Amino acid sequence: EVQLVESGGGLVKPGRSLRLSCEASGFSFSNYTMNWVRQAPGKGLEWVSSISETGTYIYYADSVKGRFTISRDNAKNSLYLQMNSLRAEDTSLYYCARDPHDFSWFDPWGQGTLVTVSS
Amino acid sequence: EIVLTQSPGTLSLSPGERATLSCRASQSVALNFLAWYQQKPGQAPRLLIYGASTRATGIPDRFSGSGAGTDFTLTINRVEPEDFAVYYCQQYGNSPRTFGQGTKVEIK
Repeated sequence: EVQLVESGGGLVKPGRSLRLSCEASGFSFSNYTMNWVRQAPGKGLEWVSSISETGTYIYYADSVKGRFTISRDNAKNSLYLQMNSLRAEDTSLYYCARDPHDFSWFDPWGQGTLVTVSS
Repeated sequence: EIVLTQSPGTLSLSPGERATLSCRASQSVALNFLAWYQQKPGQAPRLLIYGASTRATGIPDRFSGSGAGTDFTLTINRVEPEDFAVYYCQQYGNSPRTFGQGTKVEIK
């Protein structure tokens, strides 16, 4: 069974940093582009960042560019999101999602990890 | 970036009725690269449709997608109790990938 499990969320003060992790299982992780997508409380979905199979291609939403860094460790079947200079508007549930066909749709999704930025 | 506008915001239906959800793009979606997702409270989104009209694995055939260019539709024939949820469209033909704001299908 394909599974994605996020961790690392929590309550953090504005300006601080947080690192999210996503552990994948049930598929050949190194063969897929991976993504982070977020959802603010009671709001819609926003793509955040993508990383290709070997990490050669990396993309960010303008809203996080320069503050967030996506990375992966294929040996550990893990995806990461380093979030620096956090703002209140970064408060969201962060989902890890697989990219079945390189920068296409998202399937499947993990259950998400909640990041709350507040003083 | 492409802005996706979904309508209506909320659709109130009785089980057994047909649901018609619209997703309109601010510019043409390349190659009709559009997907639909279902999200229930407290759950992650689930892929329903990709390529505008191809059902994902395990999705019942009462769900169908159609459309091209800037106008896309998700239809649920004979809505079942488990179909009451929020539905999102997403385009992947242009960067950045973007989502609509969602349509809530609620029980009438």
